[in-house]
Amino acid sequence: NAGVTQTPKFRILKIGQSMTLQCTQDMNHNYMYWYRQDPGMGLKLIYYSVGAGITDKGEVPNGYNVSRSTTEDFPLRLELAAPSQTSVYFCASSLPYEAFFGQGTRLTVV
Amino acid sequence: AQTVTQSQPEMSVQEAETVTLSCTYDTSESDYYLFWYKQPPSRQMILVIRQEAYKQQNATENRFSVNFQKAAKSFSLKISDSQLGDAAMYFCAYRSTNAGGTSYGKLTFGQGTILTVHP
Repeated sequence: NAGVTQTPKFRILKIGQSMTLQCTQDMNHNYMYWYRQDPGMGLKLIYYSVGAGITDKGEVPNGYNVSRSTTEDFPLRLELAAPSQTSVYFCASSLPYEAFFGQGTRLTVV
Repeated sequence: AQTVTQSQPEMSVQEAETVTLSCTYDTSESDYYLFWYKQPPSRQMILVIRQEAYKQQNATENRFSVNFQKAAKSFSLKISDSQLGDAAMYFCAYRSTNAGGTSYGKLTFGQGTILTVHP
């Protein structure tokens, strides 16, 4: 049982480039989330989904897009990367009473 | 919108002593979950304890317990007999379970409290 798998673990992007952070879960959870965590700070919600085909914005959605075509996958798309998007990104899936997190993706935009 | 506030950026405690981490939240909902998560330097997120809003009894998990004050919208974490392995960043989190509400399923975190344990 792999849980929540994020890829890649590390990535360096140049300003203006685009990329997709992948997130897959094998627990058949309806709820999935993307967060970013800046150094020494809390987790800020970017987007979340309560089921396939349903997504909603969190606190900091600007510069990101998501899709949820299947229960298992919840990719996060960065368009036109900016230095302000340098952060650690976490994907999570959850039951009502517990969330399960991926190992995180450390993204640096230079 | 729900907000979660942790007013203590850093706390410290001596090994074997007790420490309390504070958390307040703002919501107009009646049904929700509250959580405390631990994040050690490995970045892994570990569930410490959870509380369902409709339960009046405070949750406990071994050395960890909460003081849940629903009317005051307060949810503090008490760590007893602190151990060196408790050193980490601790996050308070709120999850809406209000079916039909605009924030249903949304999981919101506080800013975190860094806990240092001194030997």
